[in-house]
Amino acid sequence: GQNIDQPTEMTATEGAIVQINCTYQTSGFNGLFWYQQHAGEAPTFLSYNVLDGLEEKGRFSSFLSRSKGYSYLLLKELQMKDSASYLCAVREWGGYQKVTFGTGTKLQVIP
Amino acid sequence: DAGVIQSPRHEVTEMGQEVTLRCKPISGHDYLFWYRQTMMRGLELLIYFNNNVPIDDSGMPEDRFSAKMPNASFSTLKIQPSEPRDSAVYFCASNQGYEQFFGPGTRLTVL
Repeated sequence: GQNIDQPTEMTATEGAIVQINCTYQTSGFNGLFWYQQHAGEAPTFLSYNVLDGLEEKGRFSSFLSRSKGYSYLLLKELQMKDSASYLCAVREWGGYQKVTFGTGTKLQVIP
Repeated sequence: DAGVIQSPRHEVTEMGQEVTLRCKPISGHDYLFWYRQTMMRGLELLIYFNNNVPIDDSGMPEDRFSAKMPNASFSTLKIQPSEPRDSAVYFCASNQGYEQFFGPGTRLTVL
């Protein structure tokens, strides 16, 4: 089984940088995902990490440390449209595509 | 591509009635997932298919829930009989590779 923890809510200011943390416990790690979900909409894929280190994609970056069971999503130059929930999800070994999602972090960007 | 298609988008029914949710995955995707999302429990995996074959249904709450995938372009999730605690948003997702593409969801309300 898996246990995924992330903060419930965060608030940040437009133009600033925010880091959303995720810790996980799993018996066989095989990848970590970040998804963005605006209120009333479906989740959309942001990033995928399977090896340690930082993956950068525009204003968004995702970091992974497998030994610590830790990841973060870094959002730079925050915009009002970044107000959304951010879901951390972990995949386990097993040869299949099963992914377990955390309960998400609701980010509010204020002017 | 139109993306993952789900119907209906909204469903209001009375306790005890049968509910059928429908999903058309993205053409060429060989995995299909059914999720349920609530405020309390977040995004939960109910069942997923690979090449139309159910792989893991351990997330299906109870015998009242059933899912089928008769062909590569269509899947159903049925609840019979429905109960108020089944009220949630039900998402269908498909993937080929590691990124999951979610449909817009069906918001189910059981009175």
